[in-house]
Amino acid sequence: GESVGLHLPTLSVQEGDNSIINCAYSNSASDYFIWYKQESGKGPQFIIDIRSNMDKRQGQRVTVLLNKTVKHLSLQIAATQPGDSAVYFCAENISQGAQKLVFGQGTRLTINP
Amino acid sequence: DGGITQSPKYLFRKEGQNVTLSCEQNLNHDAMYWYRQDPGQGLRLIYYSQIVNDFQKGDIAEGYSVSREKKESFPLTVTSAQKNPTAFYLCASRGQASQYTQYFGPGTRLTVL
Repeated sequence: GESVGLHLPTLSVQEGDNSIINCAYSNSASDYFIWYKQESGKGPQFIIDIRSNMDKRQGQRVTVLLNKTVKHLSLQIAATQPGDSAVYFCAENISQGAQKLVFGQGTRLTINP
Repeated sequence: DGGITQSPKYLFRKEGQNVTLSCEQNLNHDAMYWYRQDPGQGLRLIYYSQIVNDFQKGDIAEGYSVSREKKESFPLTVTSAQKNPTAFYLCASRGQASQYTQYFGPGTRLTVL
């Protein structure tokens, strides 16, 4: 079935470097995408979102890119800090029917000192 | 403080027992959701409610039940019919202002002894 997935389950970067977390989606009816950050033992925390009529959106140290042609979503984190270590999930809202989010498996980001 | 609370944080259950997980929000959100998260995996939707006194099954509703008698409360009961209930349970809510974004509580970790 159609689902949200991730290219890489784990990612390690040096502190201060930029990181890119990727997400592939297959549902052409998705109209909204969200990135969440989940620290160990806690609930997911909203980071940034993007509508399907946009291709880029920036926040504080984070940028989300959307490529609808290849159905690809990415989260860029600039100048990573130890506090960025977490699991990152992408989620898509499927515009048909009830408002539900479909979540990917997640990517674990580890920041090395 | 405004937000979503879940209780208890940790819950232990003997096989054959029903347990109820609490979820309360004071955000005046109409929609509420319950997810299950297993180690190293994404979130799977159990039940959701878009309005008081109404709820729908998600992708893995078997062995679970919910009620939505009040706007701010959406308790989840894990019944003895749920064969593998040990997991991390997350409650979320969504308001009209946030459109599609769901905001999560801190989670309840349920362990069956």
